[in-house]
Amino acid sequence: EAGVAQSPRYKIIEKRQSVAFWCNPISGHATLYWYQQILGQGPKLLIQFQNNGVVDDSQLPKDRFSAERLKGVDSTLKIQPAKLEDSAVYLCASSSIAGGPLGETQYFGPGTRLLVL
Amino acid sequence: AQSVTQLGSHVSVSEGALVLLRCNYSSSVPPYLFWYVQYPNQGLQLLLKYTSAATLVKGINGFEAEFKKSETSFHLTKPSAHMRDAAEYFCAVKGAQKLVFGQGTRLTINP
Repeated sequence: EAGVAQSPRYKIIEKRQSVAFWCNPISGHATLYWYQQILGQGPKLLIQFQNNGVVDDSQLPKDRFSAERLKGVDSTLKIQPAKLEDSAVYLCASSSIAGGPLGETQYFGPGTRLLVL
Repeated sequence: AQSVTQLGSHVSVSEGALVLLRCNYSSSVPPYLFWYVQYPNQGLQLLLKYTSAATLVKGINGFEAEFKKSETSFHLTKPSAHMRDAAEYFCAVKGAQKLVFGQGTRLTINP
């Protein structure tokens, strides 16, 4: 079974530029998550999709971050304009409801490492 | 709301020694608890999870964790460390809402 795919793996941009990350979840997984992991910290949830609907985006900085999951499969996370403090690893994860809504396991992709100069 | 505290941002043990990584949680509802491992430049991989069945949970790579409600703890252990265990370990809790991660513990193995 193929895992969660993410691209690009690395990205370097200057502040005020825009950037987009792509995620392809495990086939059949209805739930998709985007996390931000700042160096030395644990991942923090930015947004959660169930199929193509948003379940939780309470910690997404909506003035600069946006995400979409068209057709309930792939997802794109965009930052526009980027700030220095956005430097982090952006992790995508997916899960199936087979494990139950509370105990389901999230499977993570390798992440995209963003450096904002 | 839920939260996780991992005691010790860095733990160093000798190869063959006991590994003990500490995790305490706070949750307003019965929690589901997870341990994930992150190798350099990789995503997170699930080691084990507690979902209200047996309190002693066995995971991959010889790791196990014990849920202790009275102590609100979910410490991760492994009897004998291997060099390949060197990584970052994250404890996470899920109550009624999202998965919340601790700050992580970096495990170093000395030859």
